[in-house]
Amino acid sequence: NAGVTQTPKFRILKIGQSMTLQCTQDMNHNYMYWYRQDPGMGLKLIYYSVGAGITDKGEVPNGYNVSRSTTEDFPLRLELAAPSQTSVYFCASSYTGQGGGGGYTFGSGTRLTVV
Amino acid sequence: QKEVEQDPGPLSVPEGAIVSLNCTYSNSAFQYFMWYRQYSRKGPELLMYTYSSGNKEDGRFTAQVDKSSKYISLFIRDSQPSDSATYLCAMNTGGFKTIFGAGTRLFVKA
Repeated sequence: NAGVTQTPKFRILKIGQSMTLQCTQDMNHNYMYWYRQDPGMGLKLIYYSVGAGITDKGEVPNGYNVSRSTTEDFPLRLELAAPSQTSVYFCASSYTGQGGGGGYTFGSGTRLTVV
Repeated sequence: QKEVEQDPGPLSVPEGAIVSLNCTYSNSAFQYFMWYRQYSRKGPELLMYTYSSGNKEDGRFTAQVDKSSKYISLFIRDSQPSDSATYLCAMNTGGFKTIFGAGTRLFVKA
């Protein structure tokens, strides 16, 4: 079982560049999430999706976009990268949505540096 | 004031010790409480998931929720070097948005 797979694992971007962080899950989970993790801070929700074609903003959505065309895939798009977007990004999924989803399954993360 | 407060540590204990990890919170609407373990350069993995107040035990791990004090705990018995990781508490009111603590770093010395 692959679970939640994220690519790439590492990336260095220059200011103003764009990129897409890929996330795919093979557990047939309807609910998917993107979080960022900064030192000394808790995980912050960027966007989430309750199913194919349905997405909604989380706590820190500015500078990011998402799409959900299939149950399996939930890519995160960064447009015009800024140093403030330097972080570790985690994709997660869950079988149920509300109440913490019964617990999330996380990917191994993408470590992004914007210079 | 953060919604969820967690001492960042590090907490260093000898092998075999009982470990107590804690979080406090300010939002009385939280009903679902979770503990995740995160190894270095890995994603968090779910350890415990509880609803409302009370205790839940799973092997060497016990999660405790005291809603009256807005305080949750994770106890690890007979700690092992493999328990060395960052432990994140997380809470949810029943909606789609889960709030995470910043994590406590734990080192278990052999």
